[in-house]
Amino acid sequence: GQNIDQPTEMTATEGAIVQINCTYQTSGFNGLFWYQQHAGEAPTFLSYNVLDGLEEKGRFSSFLSRSKGYSYLLLKELQMKDSASYLCAVRSTSGTYKYIFGTGTRLKVLA
Amino acid sequence: GAGVSQSPRYKVAKRGQDVALRCDPISGHVSLFWYQQALGQGPEFLTYFQNEAQLDKSGLPSDRFFAERPEGSVSTLKIQRTQQEDSAVYLCASSHNRLAGSTDTQYFGPGTRLTVL
Repeated sequence: GQNIDQPTEMTATEGAIVQINCTYQTSGFNGLFWYQQHAGEAPTFLSYNVLDGLEEKGRFSSFLSRSKGYSYLLLKELQMKDSASYLCAVRSTSGTYKYIFGTGTRLKVLA
Repeated sequence: GAGVSQSPRYKVAKRGQDVALRCDPISGHVSLFWYQQALGQGPEFLTYFQNEAQLDKSGLPSDRFFAERPEGSVSTLKIQRTQQEDSAVYLCASSHNRLAGSTDTQYFGPGTRLTVL
């Protein structure tokens, strides 16, 4: 079956670093994506990994280990505006390619 | 347009009514996806188009759900005889490239929040 697991909620302090983990089991793998979704808004693209290793983009970094079915999103220098849900999604190659999303991790950044 | 647009943004329907939700993808985007997102959950895949061809409709919950993209641009998701369990946000997303294996990513519209009473 297809399964993506991530923590439901996390809390962190402004200025700190937080790591959001994602584990996946999918039929076929063609890339892992992280999206940010503020309440009542559309998801917006943050990062993409298809090869093992770390991708860095400003305050956000994402890591992938395909052999472990594991990824994390690292957010540095947290700001209040980072309070949002963070969605992990795998692009599956089962049949046509489609995106399987996790339930999202709701991050609260406290002052 | 600059991004993916959806209309209406909010729809309230009485149980048993039919509804039609519209998606205008980014101009030139080949791929179009529909998702259903329940409160506190991630988006659930419904269906996928490549131009006008519906290549995957495996996520449609029942035969009451129907989607089309007749000219390879605008898409409509139709729900017949709506039920309370259909209440959710319906998200549309488009991407430029038809090729799996590309670094292409999806761009989401703001969604239509459907409430069935």
